[in-house]
Amino acid sequence: GAVVSQHPSRVICKSGTSVKIECRSLDFQATTMFWYRQFPKKSLMLMATSNEGSKATYEQGVEKDKFLINHASLTLSTLTVTSAHPEDSSFYICSAKGAGDTDTQYFGPGTRLTVL
Amino acid sequence: LAKTTQPISMDSYEGQEVNITCSHNNIATNDYITWYQQFPSQGPRFIIQGYKTKVTNEVASLFIPADRKSSTLSLPRVSLSDTAVYYCLVGGGGRRALTFGSGTRLQVQP
Repeated sequence: GAVVSQHPSRVICKSGTSVKIECRSLDFQATTMFWYRQFPKKSLMLMATSNEGSKATYEQGVEKDKFLINHASLTLSTLTVTSAHPEDSSFYICSAKGAGDTDTQYFGPGTRLTVL
Repeated sequence: LAKTTQPISMDSYEGQEVNITCSHNNIATNDYITWYQQFPSQGPRFIIQGYKTKVTNEVASLFIPADRKSSTLSLPRVSLSDTAVYYCLVGGGGRRALTFGSGTRLQVQP
């Protein structure tokens, strides 16, 4: 299957700082990328949908000014957690898919964010 | 968005065949059915995808009845390394995201 990478895999930061997470589709062009977060022993929760070249669409309850998403190219999307707080500590997972209706959604390995 | 229902957990032994059934009564005509496997602290890994009837690949089979209101993931001869959470998802066509349910936690014992 297609490969999606994330960087960094793990990050620890102080409260109040901002953290950027990169998501890349390595061997296909991702017209759409998605960002999820997952708490321990819980399922994935969709945060936002990102289409290349346009503004991201955020799910209800997700603060767009806190979770900044940029999808500047067909292979890269970034999620910036601004002014992070301990409650933002979570496992963040991106996914990507191509333009076709039947294109499979492929997931990155995830980024573990810990805010002290 | 179609909602899916799966058993919360299942237990099996090494070498057995495991069948996980998922119900999706409100599946739309253009929805596909996709199954993922997730290990702790890793992103979901694609297992198999289908629309109707039966699909088989090197790791699993997917059975979909004619009404498409359910699907069954079949894992032949499971091993300890198959212990994971398995998610059944429907939809995701075009630019729509997949919505995750609670998944099935499969525990394989020796």
